[in-house]
Amino acid sequence: QQQVKQSPQSLIVQKGGISIINCAYENTAFDYFPWYQQFPGKGPALLIAIRPDVSEKKEGRFTISFNKSAKQFSLHIMDSQPGDSATYFCAARVQGGSEKLVFGKGTKLTVNP
Amino acid sequence: DVKVTQSSRYLVKRTGEKVFLECVQDMDHENMFWYRQDPGLGLRLIYFSYDVKMKEKGDIPEGYSVSREKKERFSLILESASTNQTSMYLCASSTRGGGVNEQFFGPGTRLTVL
Repeated sequence: QQQVKQSPQSLIVQKGGISIINCAYENTAFDYFPWYQQFPGKGPALLIAIRPDVSEKKEGRFTISFNKSAKQFSLHIMDSQPGDSATYFCAARVQGGSEKLVFGKGTKLTVNP
Repeated sequence: DVKVTQSSRYLVKRTGEKVFLECVQDMDHENMFWYRQDPGLGLRLIYFSYDVKMKEKGDIPEGYSVSREKKERFSLILESASTNQTSMYLCASSTRGGGVNEQFFGPGTRLTVL
């Protein structure tokens, strides 16, 4: 069964701190790993994504670290801001061209001012 | 901007009713998806479609069906709604082929089945 395991379920960080969310997958039938951000009352929106042939990708304060041998990837939010408070989902795309994504269960991030 | 719209933000139905959830996208995307979102369970794929009249089961298709008669519209049907189908339903769309294709989500429909 294709699964993506995400932790922690919730995370509280002080403003200016680093938020770290971890994900792990169990098989190698994935070829693309996006992170989605969801604010209350909204649908998820793509935040940042990485391919498995790259070990790190950075966009502003957001960085994905990818460890192919360990089958793990993580999202780091530097200088976390109250506006980053949202639910974050990691995902993995199933190989084969269907664009099907398998999502983690989500992490609710709260950044205190 | 890509826009994915869903017919209702909130819906209340009775057990046993037939329920239609509608989704429309305006970017000529080939792929469309229906997910349900429940606290602690994340997003789970119900059905997806990669072309008109084509559909594939996702991870939790039981109790649901779909219809895609036009490229821009993807409908989720609950033939006989049950209380365990109370949930947030999210529609998404994406292009197909050519590398990495972002899924664009609608705002969701919160369905309550009484």
